[in-house]
Amino acid sequence: AQSVAQPEDQVNVAEGNPLTVKCTYSVSGNPYLFWYVQYPNRGLQFLLKYITGDNLVKGSYGFEAEFNKSQTSFHLKKPSALVSDSALYFCAVRPYTDKLIFGTGTRLQVFP
Amino acid sequence: DAGITQSPRYKITETGRQVTLMCHQTWSHSYMFWYRQDLGHGLRLIYYSAAADITDKGEVPDGYVVSRSKTENFPLTLESATRSQTSVYFCASRAGGDSPDTQYFGPGTRLTVL
Repeated sequence: AQSVAQPEDQVNVAEGNPLTVKCTYSVSGNPYLFWYVQYPNRGLQFLLKYITGDNLVKGSYGFEAEFNKSQTSFHLKKPSALVSDSALYFCAVRPYTDKLIFGTGTRLQVFP
Repeated sequence: DAGITQSPRYKITETGRQVTLMCHQTWSHSYMFWYRQDLGHGLRLIYYSAAADITDKGEVPDGYVVSRSKTENFPLTLESATRSQTSVYFCASRAGGDSPDTQYFGPGTRLTVL
């Protein structure tokens, strides 16, 4: 079965430190890969996506993600975390079919 | 305003009642989706639609009905609400085809079934 895994329910990081939110997937073919962020009581906001080409994708709010085909991973990164980055982050994959497959989400907590 | 809107934003109802959640998008996107978000489950797809008058089941369709008579609207109906349908419901849309278009989400409807 096709799936997306976000192995960490929560990631804690100090402000100013780099952050990584992990995502791996098990999907056939060459899927499109996405990251979304959800702030409290809000809908999901698009951060970035990988389609093809350069393995490092840059997105909104200083976030970037690294695609690794051999490891089927698409980890979200930021060089210097902000307290305002604290939110719920979702990795999503869209294989050949129409539908996105979501991970269960990782809560990022950035401490001052 | 352009974008995707949902109404109501909050709804409390009782077991057995029929409830309709509305979703409207102004982009003329072909695809529209309904998800529910529950703790520990992430987002689960309920129904989706590839175009007007074309709908299909997602992962958790039981107890829900959808229709899409117009491209811009995609209402979700709970025919006889149950407590297990207490959740936050998100509508989403994206342009059509196999292109990697981004899927955009509405603000959500928090539904409580007593």
